Amino acid sequence: DTAVSQTPKYLVTQMGNDKSIKCEQNLGHDTMYWYKQDSKKFLKIMFSYNNKELIINETVPNRFSPKSPDKAHLNLHINSLELGDSAVYFCASSASDLAKNIQYFGAGTRLSVL
Amino acid sequence: AQKITQTQPGMFVQEKEAVTLDCTYDTSDPSYGLFWYKQPSSGEMIFLIYQGSYDQQNATEGRYSLNFQKARKSANLVISASQLGDSAMYFCAMREPDSWGKLQFGAGTQVVVTP
Repeated sequence: DTAVSQTPKYLVTQMGNDKSIKCEQNLGHDTMYWYKQDSKKFLKIMFSYNNKELIINETVPNRFSPKSPDKAHLNLHINSLELGDSAVYFCASSASDLAKNIQYFGAGTRLSVL
Repeated sequence: AQKITQTQPGMFVQEKEAVTLDCTYDTSDPSYGLFWYKQPSSGEMIFLIYQGSYDQQNATEGRYSLNFQKARKSANLVISASQLGDSAMYFCAMREPDSWGKLQFGAGTQVVVTP
């Protein structure tokens, strides 16, 4: 039973398209995150939601819009895709009330924009 | 400014040997958390070990241990008795207080375990 699951695992699309990535966690966590890993493997946070409320919104183009319908789900919608959006996108979740607040990651979605 | 520094872009280690991966961090907060994650070639991010800044003892999890030297602001990961399956990218990360859990990652160290 996968704890943090993302779909799709691979996404190949043309410039200008709109696409969504879905994330679900069954760990009972209250906080979920989106990270972007670039071609040099560098990981940077994009967004975080705590109990469906946006709490972190890093400097990310407005074309990226996260949505959290409930605590267990966090989706990422990307409008007007650009070549530079090609990356691996990771969803993660954690229990913010625990001291360690360890983040558990999904398997990643590899987005390729052609 | 980069808050997490991993100076070893890559290293080779022989099977059954121990390997130390370096990580230094920069923060002025007395309370913070340090993490290590493993990313094998399959791409997933796997949590390995956690060290809290107030923890008195170095963290250990099976073959993984964290050499925490607070005064030097270093949190090196030690993998004992390396196995072929340890070949992966290893990331050090830090979480500061009042950051809503945001993890800041280092650039990673690629480890290749050879027979």
